Amino acid sequence: QQQVKQSPQSLIVQKGGISIINCAYENTAFDYFPWYQQFPGKGPALLIAIRPDVSEKKEGRFTISFNKSAKQFSLHIMDSQPGDSATYFCAASTGSSASKIIFGSGTRLSIRP
Amino acid sequence: EAGVAQSPRYKIIEKRQSVAFWCNPISGHATLYWYQQILGQGPKLLIQFQNNGVVDDSQLPKDRFSAERLKGVDSTLKIQPAKLEDSAVYLCASSFTGPDNEQFFGPGTRLTVL
Repeated sequence: QQQVKQSPQSLIVQKGGISIINCAYENTAFDYFPWYQQFPGKGPALLIAIRPDVSEKKEGRFTISFNKSAKQFSLHIMDSQPGDSATYFCAASTGSSASKIIFGSGTRLSIRP
Repeated sequence: EAGVAQSPRYKIIEKRQSVAFWCNPISGHATLYWYQQILGQGPKLLIQFQNNGVVDDSQLPKDRFSAERLKGVDSTLKIQPAKLEDSAVYLCASSFTGPDNEQFFGPGTRLTVL
């Protein structure tokens, strides 16, 4: 029940296309859903995050779509660029200082020029 | 604003040896996390500190791993004795409050156990 399942494991998208990564969770107590981006040799960095009181959040080319009833959320990268090539992790946690954050297994995204 | 600092960046040891990693979080961040990231997997939380108290260490292999956060600032993670399966990147992160806020990650320490 503590797992966050992420798919696909890897994704290749043409430059200018839309990249879509999906995550699903079981624990209905989760109420904070961040996406982290990780480049080789670097630590993950927060890309965008959403709380379940909204169904969508957009920041530039990055959009999170959230479906509370289905317990799913996804990351959409519009107009994908070669610089977006990285590993993306979804995560989930509860809204307390004592909570634990659970990361998905990651999606390696490659944008072809 | 300085980021999360970790050292060393790389470490190669033989099995059964001991190793220690150091982390200096962002100033003012109350929560510090140690993660283990095995190649091709997402980060797995090992231990979470709130100031200098342990909030969660349920996934820390306590027979060989130990961690401390002295004075609620710097932290060290130790492995003694190391096993082959401990080969991974060890990430330190900090956040102003808890996990429902942005975590800032350090560059990690890549450990290879031979």
